[in-house]
Amino acid sequence: QVHLQQRGAGLLKPSETLSLTCTFYGGPFSGYYWSWIRQSPGKGLEWVGEINHRGESKHNPSLRSRVTTSIDTSKNQFSLRLTSVTAADTAVYFCARLSPVGIGGWYSDDYWGQGTLVSVSS
Amino acid sequence: DIQMTQFPSSLSASVGDRVTITCRASQDIRNDLVWYQQKPGKAPKRLIYAASSLQSGVSSRFSGSGSGTEFTLTISSLQPEDFTTYYCLQHNSYPRTFGQGTKLEIK
Repeated sequence: QVHLQQRGAGLLKPSETLSLTCTFYGGPFSGYYWSWIRQSPGKGLEWVGEINHRGESKHNPSLRSRVTTSIDTSKNQFSLRLTSVTAADTAVYFCARLSPVGIGGWYSDDYWGQGTLVSVSS
Repeated sequence: DIQMTQFPSSLSASVGDRVTITCRASQDIRNDLVWYQQKPGKAPKRLIYAASSLQSGVSSRFSGSGSGTEFTLTISSLQPEDFTTYYCLQHNSYPRTFGQGTKLEIK
């Protein structure tokens, strides 16, 4: 069964580092863009960033230099790291294969992780 | 950044109604637009990609149209399970941006 599974800490203190990992099961990993999206409680969706199997990444400028993404193609995993978190970073974080277009222009199906609620509180 | 203006932000309708949700891009995004449905506590689900292509497994009562800067999602005959929140997403340029969402409520 093709799916994405997330793991990572859900409770952080201000100034700590958020760290999440997503693993893709049951399908090809290379050739696609792997994304992170977050959703603050009761709010809309915000794109955080994405990475491809070559390690080329793009991030939301609103997060400045706090965000990094990484990928491990040997494990079909990609990760998100967000430093110096504040209460404003409290959100459900999703990993996803968001773009309907793969690296070579082919169709890319829609897969999402289950979401991780990350709460930042002192 | 490309701004995606989605409207209405909320909409009341009845089962069987036809409804339309609009997303307007601040610049030309060709047809690089996706529509999502999100139910409470769940991840979004893709309905439409490339502005008008129906995602496999999605009911044909959902349809999308538009290109350039103006896009619409139409639900032809509302079913009880359709009363939830919808988002558009542009993937033409970085950063990717979502519309603010439309909450569809039962009248």
